[in-house]
Amino acid sequence: QKEVEQDPGPLSVPEGAIVSLNCTYSNSAFQYFMWYRQYSRKGPELLMYTYSSGNKEDGRFTAQVDKSSKYISLFIRDSQPSDSATYLCAVTRGGGNKLTFGTGTQLKVEL
Amino acid sequence: DSGVTQTPKHLITATGQRVTLRCSPRSGDLSVYWYQQSLDQGLQFLIQYYNGEERAKGNILERFSAQQFPDLHSELNLSSLELGDSALYFCASNAGDTSTDTQYFGPGTRLTVL
Repeated sequence: QKEVEQDPGPLSVPEGAIVSLNCTYSNSAFQYFMWYRQYSRKGPELLMYTYSSGNKEDGRFTAQVDKSSKYISLFIRDSQPSDSATYLCAVTRGGGNKLTFGTGTQLKVEL
Repeated sequence: DSGVTQTPKHLITATGQRVTLRCSPRSGDLSVYWYQQSLDQGLQFLIQYYNGEERAKGNILERFSAQQFPDLHSELNLSSLELGDSALYFCASNAGDTSTDTQYFGPGTRLTVL
């Protein structure tokens, strides 16, 4: 079993839709959670960082963590074609430890 | 721009050869992480250095090695290359201590082994 599971997609939505991306993880030692966006053949770009259960909002993006069910989500409101990318969830134990990534979900927002 | 730089952007080489990938961390960051991204494995952690010392090892092959120099730049050496080593190699950096866990990624080096 992989430590982090993520639906690879691809996911195609119309412009303006609300997008929901999800990951589950298996190890309760993971305490910090991130979402990265990766455009084709580019380096992952940090979108959101959370360390507790609950919601964190930044513009059109909301990250949600439920530690009791080991479930993390990213919501994108009013999706734009420029949001078309691969979204990677990442988890870590903290203290400068490595990141463990999901496989990434490929998102396409169509006009 | 994350502030992490990597060279070269692209590398094409033959099986059996040896290559060196270079990474410069963000200004002030002491820790460098190397990751490999292939189509079938996703992003996999290889190795971490903190202030010149190896701190953690992941799924790094014995044919691969790395080091971090006094100016904090890092090099990843890949030898006896095989076709399966073709991948994107990223480095990331952060302060490396308990103050932060976010990592900032460079643009990557695309390695093609023919």
